Formats: sequence, structure tokens, C-alpha cells
Amino acid sequence: GDSVTQMEGPVTLSEEACLTINCTYTATGYPSLFWYVQYPGEGLQLLLKATKADDKGSNKGFEATYRKETTSFHLEKGSVQVSDSAVYFCALASSNSGYALNFGKGTSLLVTP
Amino acid sequence: DVKVTQSSRYLVKRTGEKVFLECVQDMDHENMFWYRQDPGLGLRLIYFSYDVKMKEKGDIPEGYSVSREKKERFSLILESASTNQTSMYLCASRAAGASGYEQFFGPGTRLTVL
Repeated sequence: GDSVTQMEGPVTLSEEACLTINCTYTATGYPSLFWYVQYPGEGLQLLLKATKADDKGSNKGFEATYRKETTSFHLEKGSVQVSDSAVYFCALASSNSGYALNFGKGTSLLVTP
Repeated sequence: DVKVTQSSRYLVKRTGEKVFLECVQDMDHENMFWYRQDPGLGLRLIYFSYDVKMKEKGDIPEGYSVSREKKERFSLILESASTNQTSMYLCASRAAGASGYEQFFGPGTRLTVL
């Protein structure tokens, strides 16, 4: 079945450091890929998405490119801020699962001043 | 602004009680979902619903049931709560159609079963 694997945290970075959170997936067909973010005490909100190979999703300085050849969707940001501290979830959706999201286990990011 | 609301942010129940978690969305979405979130396990799908009165089991349906009598409301029911159901429960909705449509999440209900 479909699955998502993302790097384990926690990740601790200093403000203005570069961020990469790795995400790889296994899926049949042509899934859509998502990054969701969960700030402390809140529900999940969509950060960015990509629906086909080579698409790049971007939002709030974060980027991820849908790489079919490496089955990856790594999240990157050039300069993190303290306000980026949160848990990040990589997810995929496909018709195989009725479009329910299949999540990775989440990566906790802490950015220190 | 789109909105998914859940009836409680925090809930404490006793073992054996019947528990209802309510979710309401105001976006006229056809699809609704219930997930539970546990540390180190991420989010796991309990049940989902394609449309009114329709439901499908997810990955971990045991010990749960659901009800979708109206399009905007999707209820999760714990028939007899147990301590291993202590968790964060998240509801989501999405429009029917392509896999690229995002899901919108509620704030979550943190359930503690004593």
C-alpha cells in the first residue's frame, strides 16, 4: 500500500539556518503530495502541495519539488525563523485510499534565537 | 474563511463510557475524515465518509464507529471508551474530486480516558 517516510526529529536549528526535511513515498498511480504544519496547540494547516511530477510547491519561504524519479518531496527553506518552530508532516493522497491522506510520522522543528 | 470545528478541545472520560466527538464543516464538502494523532505514530485514519450516510473504514477502525446524517456533520463514536483510546482526534474535510484537493483540519480534541 501507499506509505510516506520522513526524517525523524527533533530538528534544532539556529535562526537563519537552512532547513531540509526529507520525505520519500511509495505509491501506485499518481498521488498528490502535501506538506502540512502543526503549530503548538493547533490543528494541521496546509503549507504547500504538488499534484504532478516536477511540480514545485511553495509558501512562506518553504519549497518542495515532486520528484517522481526519486519518489521524494523534500521540504526546504533557506532561512528559518523562530516562528517556524512546529511539527511538519509530509503526506500523500491517491485514489487508492479514497483520497484520505497518508501521513509520515512528523518532524518536530525547533528554531532558537 | 473555511472552517472545521470540533465540539471540544479537551475531554476527560472514564473507561466504559460512550463518547461522542462531533465535527462540523461549513464548506459544503462531500468528504470527511477522522484521524487520531499519537506521538511517534503520526496521524492514522480511523474512518472516512464520501457523502451523507456513507462511510468507509480506515486503517484503525476497531473500537470506533461513525455517523454522517447531514452533509456538514461527521461524528466519531467510541462505544465503550478504553484507556488506549486516549489520544488527539482530528477531523478533516475536503471537496470531492481529484487527489490534489487539500483537506482542511479542525483544531483537534484531546481525549483522556481514565
